[in-house]
Amino acid sequence: NAGVIQTPRHKVTGKGQEATLWCEPISGHSAVFWYRQTIVQGLEFLTYFRNQAPIDDSGMPKERFSAQMPNQSHSTLKIQSTQPQDSAVYLCASSLDWGLGTSQNTLYFGAGTRLSVL
Amino acid sequence: AQKVTQTQTSISVMEKTTVTMDCVYETQDSSYFLFWYKQTASGEIVFLIRQDSYKKENATVGHYSLNFQKPKSSIGLIITATQIEDSAVYFCAMRERGAGNTRKLIFGLGTTLQVQP
Repeated sequence: NAGVIQTPRHKVTGKGQEATLWCEPISGHSAVFWYRQTIVQGLEFLTYFRNQAPIDDSGMPKERFSAQMPNQSHSTLKIQSTQPQDSAVYLCASSLDWGLGTSQNTLYFGAGTRLSVL
Repeated sequence: AQKVTQTQTSISVMEKTTVTMDCVYETQDSSYFLFWYKQTASGEIVFLIRQDSYKKENATVGHYSLNFQKPKSSIGLIITATQIEDSAVYFCAMRERGAGNTRKLIFGLGTTLQVQP
C-alpha cells in the first residue's frame, strides 16, 4: 500500500497563474479530504468527497478554488489566478467512509504539496 | 460551531519523562469523536489515538493515553517514557457525530514537543 500520493511535492507559480494539485487516495478508500496548512491558520479544512461526490466544501474559498474527483483514484485541487496568500502546504487525506470504528474514521494524509506563489 | 484549542505552543521535556499536552474543544453536539495526530519533522501526519465522547474509559495505545474530562470539554494527550523520536508537532482534532453528512475533522493549531536527551 503506497499510501496517499500527492503530486507535485513542490510547486512554484507566479502571481496570477493557475496551479493544479493532484491526489491519489489509498485504494479502497471512499472519502477524500483536502486541507491547507499554514503557520498562522494551522490545518484548515477545505473540502471533502465521498464516492467521488462532493459532500462538504464549506472550507473552500468562494473564488478561484475548485476541487474535483473525476474517478475513485484521483482528486484535483485547482487554484486559479494564484495570489501570494495562497502559499501553503496543501494536504490530501483519505479514509474509509462507513461505520464508527477507528479504522473507518482515521484520516491517512499524503506528504502534501508545498505551493509557493511569487 | 466546532472549535479546538491547544494553548501550549511548545513544550520541552527530558527523555524518559512523562508529558501532557492540553486540548479543549467546543461543540454543540452531544456525541463526537476526538483524535490526536502527530506531524514529524518530515511533514508526515499520522494518527495516534482516538476517544469517543460516549466512552468513559480513557483510551490508551502504547505509550500514548488520553485524559478525557467531558465536563471540562478537555482531552489531554499523555506520553509516558518519552523518546527523542517523539519530538514532533501534536494536533488535537474533533469530529461531530451528528454533523450531518460530513466527516471533516477540525484541528487545533498544534503543540510542538521537543524531547531532550
